[in-house]
Amino acid sequence: NAGVTQTPKFRILKIGQSMTLQCTQDMNHNYMYWYRQDPGMGLKLIYYSVGAGITDKGEVPNGYNVSRSTTEDFPLRLELAAPSQTSVYFCASSRQGTDQLTDTQYFGPGTRLTVL
Amino acid sequence: QKEVEQDPGPLSVPEGAIVSLNCTYSNSAFQYFMWYRQYSRKGPELLMYTYSSGNKEDGRFTAQVDKSSKYISLFIRDSQPSDSATYLCAMSGPGGLTGGGNKLTFGTGTQLKVEL
Repeated sequence: NAGVTQTPKFRILKIGQSMTLQCTQDMNHNYMYWYRQDPGMGLKLIYYSVGAGITDKGEVPNGYNVSRSTTEDFPLRLELAAPSQTSVYFCASSRQGTDQLTDTQYFGPGTRLTVL
Repeated sequence: QKEVEQDPGPLSVPEGAIVSLNCTYSNSAFQYFMWYRQYSRKGPELLMYTYSSGNKEDGRFTAQVDKSSKYISLFIRDSQPSDSATYLCAMSGPGGLTGGGNKLTFGTGTQLKVEL
């Protein structure tokens, strides 16, 4: 049981390039999330998904896209990378079962992205 | 004013010391109060949570919530070098520990170092 895995661990992009950050969970969780963490700013929610085929915007969705074709995978797409997207990106998942109020989020190890 | 304020530290203490970590908040709708621990280059993991006001104890860790003052604390007794990490507070409304339909609001994190 690997939990939440993210690839790549590190990436340097040039301005205007695009890339996909991969996230996979093997816990059969319904909900998945993407956050970014900037120094001095805390974690900000980018997008989340409540199940396959359903996604919704979080607090800072501009410049990103997501899709959820399976329960396990929730990739995050950056289309035109900008220096403001330099950050550490975390994927998370939660079960949202019968006791939803105390279900917790499990985070992946993160992807460190630099846009130059 | 940020919804959640947290002293970023860094906080350096000797092994065995009692550590006090704190957050203040402005949104009176918050009901669930969480503490996440994040080791260097890792994702956050839920350490403890409290619903509404009061104290909760788990081993060397105690979480306190004072809703009247909009102030939460995490106390670590007999601190160990293995407690060295960044501690993030997080809060949500009635949606539970994942926020339900609403986001979690994270503090910026306090970096703690416990020295031998």
